[in-house]
Amino acid sequence: DAKTTQPPSMDCAEGRAANLPCNHSTISGNEYVYWYRQIHSQGPQYIIHGLKNNETNEMASLIITEDRKSSTLILPHATLRDTAVYYCIVSFFGNEKLTFGTGTRLTIIP
Amino acid sequence: EAQVTQNPRYLITVTGKKLTVTCSQNMNHEYMSWYRQDPGLGLRQIYYSMNVEVTDKGDVPEGYKVSRKEKRNFPLILESPSPNQTSLYFCASRFGKGEQFFGPGTRLTVL
Repeated sequence: DAKTTQPPSMDCAEGRAANLPCNHSTISGNEYVYWYRQIHSQGPQYIIHGLKNNETNEMASLIITEDRKSSTLILPHATLRDTAVYYCIVSFFGNEKLTFGTGTRLTIIP
Repeated sequence: EAQVTQNPRYLITVTGKKLTVTCSQNMNHEYMSWYRQDPGLGLRQIYYSMNVEVTDKGDVPEGYKVSRKEKRNFPLILESPSPNQTSLYFCASRFGKGEQFFGPGTRLTVL
């Protein structure tokens, strides 16, 4: 699986959009971009995934660049409950393993 | 409610005393997996199972065993725990090739 690079930490004001970047320059054509988050020490929670088109669901939007070498997860109106570690993962669809890196610790500031 | 449950949630034990951490899911998922999480190392996969009686090693299987006799259960067995197995453990399940659902975690301390 391709490796990902994320900033170790970010802050965002409550109510603003949180934009979390991820670089995956070695991504292959069939690999998807997945985002999970982990609140405190709870089990990771799936957020969204995509291949090349932008995706949106009730939690977030995923913007993937045209060359697929990077992506951005957008939380449109961040709340204090969005404070968590966010993991960007690149993997083949349905792969047996998800390789979690160290993620981005997002802190939402009141 | 669809969920993955783990028991116990917290366990303190001593070196060499066999233990089992149970994992159960009520979503009829074929795929189940175990991860451990350690500071600075992220989540690392221990074992996974694609279906009943089908299991395979992940990245860090040494010192662990698993079994998959029923679809809903995937216990993690430590035959002779050692202090380096002190960690936070997560079980996960998945239907087909969809997203993984994680349990609440088991915090294990081996003295």
